[in-house]
Amino acid sequence: ILNVEQSPQSLHVQEGDSTNFTCSFPSSNFYALHWYRWETAKSPEALFVMTLNGDEKKKGRISATLNTKEGYSYLYIKGSQPEDSATYLCAFDLVYSGGGADGLTFGKGTHLIIQP
Amino acid sequence: DTGVSQNPRHKITKRGQNVTFRCDPISEHNRLYWYRQTLGQGPEFLTYFQNEAQLEKSRLLSDRFSAERPKGSFSTLEIQRTEQGDSAMYLCASSQTSGGETQYFGPGTRLLVL
Repeated sequence: ILNVEQSPQSLHVQEGDSTNFTCSFPSSNFYALHWYRWETAKSPEALFVMTLNGDEKKKGRISATLNTKEGYSYLYIKGSQPEDSATYLCAFDLVYSGGGADGLTFGKGTHLIIQP
Repeated sequence: DTGVSQNPRHKITKRGQNVTFRCDPISEHNRLYWYRQTLGQGPEFLTYFQNEAQLEKSRLLSDRFSAERPKGSFSTLEIQRTEQGDSAMYLCASSQTSGGETQYFGPGTRLLVL
């Protein structure tokens, strides 16, 4: 059974502050690490797919880093805005012997609330 | 809209009834996935299709669950003899190819079994 852990479980941040949270995953059989943002009543929105150790990706005020050797990824939000309030999910993509991967293994998410 | 769509968005049913959900993926995507999310958990993988072939099923998918993708386009997920433990959000996702590609999710169908 794969274990994908996210911390913290929830986070209250003042508008304008920067924040970050963690996703830890198995360091073996790694194929990719996905980050999603999920707002209530909407579809989970894909943020990043990261595949290489040391990868760093950025989308506006949101960025993510990846360490596959130690099995963790950080998601950073700079200058938080109320519209950043959402649940942030990471998901581990496992490689099978035939190559490629199938279903994602998700963490439980970090529930982020931005307070005006 | 060219995203993944799911119908219905909400379903309330009585224990023992059968329910069916539909997912329409992004049109050029040949992979389609079903996940289930229960309260306090992340989404859990149920099954996936490569075109019309169902290639993988999770142990979570009991024999009361069946999924189809008859022409390699839309998919249906049927739950027979629903139980209260089936209450969850059922999510569908699609992707263009195999692992490492972004999976694009629909808004989900929230099922409540009374």
